[in-house]
Amino acid sequence: GAGVSQSPRYKVAKRGQDVALRCDPISGHVSLFWYQQALGQGPEFLTYFQNEAQLDKSGLPSDRFFAERPEGSVSTLKIQRTQQEDSAVYLCASSLASAADVSGNTIYFGEGSWLTVV
Amino acid sequence: AQSVAQPEDQVNVAEGNPLTVKCTYSVSGNPYLFWYVQYPNRGLQFLLKYITGDNLVKGSYGFEAEFNKSQTSFHLKKPSALVSDSALYFCAVRDPSNTGKLIFGQGTTLQVKP
Repeated sequence: GAGVSQSPRYKVAKRGQDVALRCDPISGHVSLFWYQQALGQGPEFLTYFQNEAQLDKSGLPSDRFFAERPEGSVSTLKIQRTQQEDSAVYLCASSLASAADVSGNTIYFGEGSWLTVV
Repeated sequence: AQSVAQPEDQVNVAEGNPLTVKCTYSVSGNPYLFWYVQYPNRGLQFLLKYITGDNLVKGSYGFEAEFNKSQTSFHLKKPSALVSDSALYFCAVRDPSNTGKLIFGQGTTLQVKP
């Protein structure tokens, strides 16, 4: 597609349930980012992939969060045993450049996956 | 550490008037600065960026931003506001780490009244 595609757009999970959020980046984009955006806040970095390699996962809030991009294209963010504090919008973004040449490249965001944990 | 500050939670302006949304930054090295807009229940849309060169950057939807190195600012501007410009605006700076991730401000809500 023309843009970054995320699914599901909306997810309601019961506390303790596992969820998986999918991201389809712009075709050919090397870099892929996941961000978490709490209500009324700016997006916070979670993790970064360059192709299939996860180069930075410093923003993942706990070991319940796991991300993968096995073939260097589609990525999945998985949250195990969801808690109420996990309720947020999860934004996926991609960029054409690799990490070594990122300076001027624009990062394009998807519409987000809105997770509510009840 | 890189950071961005948006000192105003909300900016109110009348339609047709000029608008300014403020952003200041703190970076080590050259700053790469971005503005994004977020409409309700939508993702972030890229507006414009400053990489190098002319301090006045023009972007989408008639927006522009002025880079001021001495004041470490990157304010977003538009000469004549539209009601449809009402949204949440984020300033961001590129982290020169091995990922080039964006570091965002807290956002400023722009309300344009008819």
